[in-house]
Amino acid sequence: QKEVEQNSGPLSVPEGAIASLNCTYSDRVSQSFFWYRQYSGKSPELIMSIYSNGDKEDGRFTAQLNKASQYVSLLIRDSQPSDSATYLCAVPNTNAGKSTFGDGTTLTVKP
Amino acid sequence: EAGVAQSPRYKIIEKRQSVAFWCNPISGHATLYWYQQILGQGPKLLIQFQNNGVVDDSQLPKDRFSAERLKGVDSTLKIQPAKLEDSAVYLCASSAGRVGYGYTFGSGTRLTVV
Repeated sequence: QKEVEQNSGPLSVPEGAIASLNCTYSDRVSQSFFWYRQYSGKSPELIMSIYSNGDKEDGRFTAQLNKASQYVSLLIRDSQPSDSATYLCAVPNTNAGKSTFGDGTTLTVKP
Repeated sequence: EAGVAQSPRYKIIEKRQSVAFWCNPISGHATLYWYQQILGQGPKLLIQFQNNGVVDDSQLPKDRFSAERLKGVDSTLKIQPAKLEDSAVYLCASSAGRVGYGYTFGSGTRLTVV
């Protein structure tokens, strides 16, 4: 089992729809979780962090965390073509801080 | 605030040649990481520095890869000799702290080994 698993996609949604991206992790003691967005040919960019169970909202983005199920998700409301990118889930090691990344989910938002 | 600087942006070398990548993190960021990203995969950690000390280099292929961070600021990653499977993007990232902090990535170096 991979430490961090994501659906590879591709995920395609129409403009204005909600995109739902999922991530599961294996380390039960993980305390913080990050979502990065990576446009084609560019480097990853941190877009969301979440530390507590429940939801965290930032504009059109909502991160959801369920530590009991070892599951974290990212919802993008009112999806725009500019949201088309690969979304990487990252889980830092509790002690060392180094992040393990999933292989990403590629999202395409169609106009 | 200036971002993470990396150079070069692109490099093409023949197998068995050597190559070096340079990274300058965000000022004041004590933690620096080098990741390797192969096309279609997520970034994989090569080495983590805290100031000028190595925290984790367990995934660094030490027979061919080396890295240093002199004076706790700039860092250099070297590959010698390169293999075809080293073709990837090499990402440098820095963070404000060791645990619980997200990364700021540099623009990366795309290495092609032919």
